[in-house]
Amino acid sequence: DTGVSQDPRHKITKRGQNVTFRCDPISEHNRLYWYRQTLGQGPEFLTYFQNEAQLEKSRLLSDRFSAERPKGSFSTLEIQRTEQGDSAMYLCASSLPPIDLTSGNTIYFGEGSWLTVV
Amino acid sequence: GDSVTQMEGPVTLSEEAFLTINCTYTATGYPSLFWYVQYPGEGLQLLLKATKADDKGSNKGFEATYRKETTSFHLEKGSVQVSDSAVYFCALKFYFGSGTKLNVKP
Repeated sequence: DTGVSQDPRHKITKRGQNVTFRCDPISEHNRLYWYRQTLGQGPEFLTYFQNEAQLEKSRLLSDRFSAERPKGSFSTLEIQRTEQGDSAMYLCASSLPPIDLTSGNTIYFGEGSWLTVV
Repeated sequence: GDSVTQMEGPVTLSEEAFLTINCTYTATGYPSLFWYVQYPGEGLQLLLKATKADDKGSNKGFEATYRKETTSFHLEKGSVQVSDSAVYFCALKFYFGSGTKLNVKP
């Protein structure tokens, strides 16, 4: 299977603990995205990388959230001092770069990582 | 900033009915527009796309036309099936709408 893979698929953590999610994109895709999705809502954009550069980060993203893609391949999303409101599915996705910055390209999603903060 | 707004659901239709799910966008320039679908228990996947104004994207009997005059990209299907029951998301570049759930009854 050469799709986007995420790990772990499910995580239950106590409030105040730190959690980290890992994403492995499709190998030839140099763009990688992180989203958060709650029940009945669409994917909420968090951040994206082109290779190892983090090009955009949502203004709604708390300072407790940090993402890295050090070698331009896999990425990690860390949530520090988790709160109950962080409970959601965290989606990773990847794509080839668009033709130009005003365009876009088909995004391929992983299965997601469910986070439950108790 | 760039964003999309889509009609709220759920939308409930009988089999073979005509479907329209509205999507409007706000953007700088004319970025690519997409419709993604999420079937029950599955991940998000691309349904169709249009890369420039006046383009029509189509797939599985669904169509959407990129209309710059009305800044819209409405999803249509002439005759829905029970198997079309899913959540549909309009997207502009990598920004997604809130989703519209479609229920098709036999």
